[in-house]
Amino acid sequence: AQSVTQPDIHITVSEGASLELRCNYSYGATPYLFWYVQSPGQGLQLLLKYFSGDTLVQGIKGFEAEFKRSQSSFNLRKPSVHWSDAAEYFCAVGERAGSYQLTFGKGTKLSVIP
Amino acid sequence: DAGVTQSPTHLIKTRGQQVTLRCSPKSGHDTVSWYQQALGQGPQFIFQYYEEEERQRGNFPDRFSGHQFPNYSSELNVNALLLGDSALYLCASSLIQRTGELFFGEGSRLTVL
Repeated sequence: AQSVTQPDIHITVSEGASLELRCNYSYGATPYLFWYVQSPGQGLQLLLKYFSGDTLVQGIKGFEAEFKRSQSSFNLRKPSVHWSDAAEYFCAVGERAGSYQLTFGKGTKLSVIP
Repeated sequence: DAGVTQSPTHLIKTRGQQVTLRCSPKSGHDTVSWYQQALGQGPQFIFQYYEEEERQRGNFPDRFSGHQFPNYSSELNVNALLLGDSALYLCASSLIQRTGELFFGEGSRLTVL
């Protein structure tokens, strides 16, 4: 069974600092990987996805993520954090094309210090 | 363009009761999935509907059932509520060919007493 681990429950960064949120997955074949963000009182929003091809993917709001098969990781990065980025971030894995059964990690809460 | 809308936003039930949650997908979307998000956890997949049929199901008991209507809206029904069913229930819509690109509603917060 596939699984997702987000090792950091809570991260605090200063506004303007760089950010990296970690995600490790467990899945036998090539996974479909996603990052979603959940702001308070709002639904989850898709930041970016990886299906195949270039292992560095660009998303919305200046985020990017890199797929590293050897490390089973799909870490999310942003070079300069804005106060509005404070939210909870979820990494998710899907088993195949056409599957809507995503397995989510427990999330990482990001706090931003002005 | 309205996004995914869910109702009700909050509700309180007692053990043993039944609940129905409703979801209207984003305009143009044909697929609806339901997820359960317990406090401090990531969302867990319940099931997915397309063309009015349940296409995939997660590891949830038969007490959880659903329906999709011809206008693509959907309902989630939970019977014989347990305390452990207290959670945020999220509806997500998408196009069938856009795997994983889910648009989530804000959820229905269910509290079971």
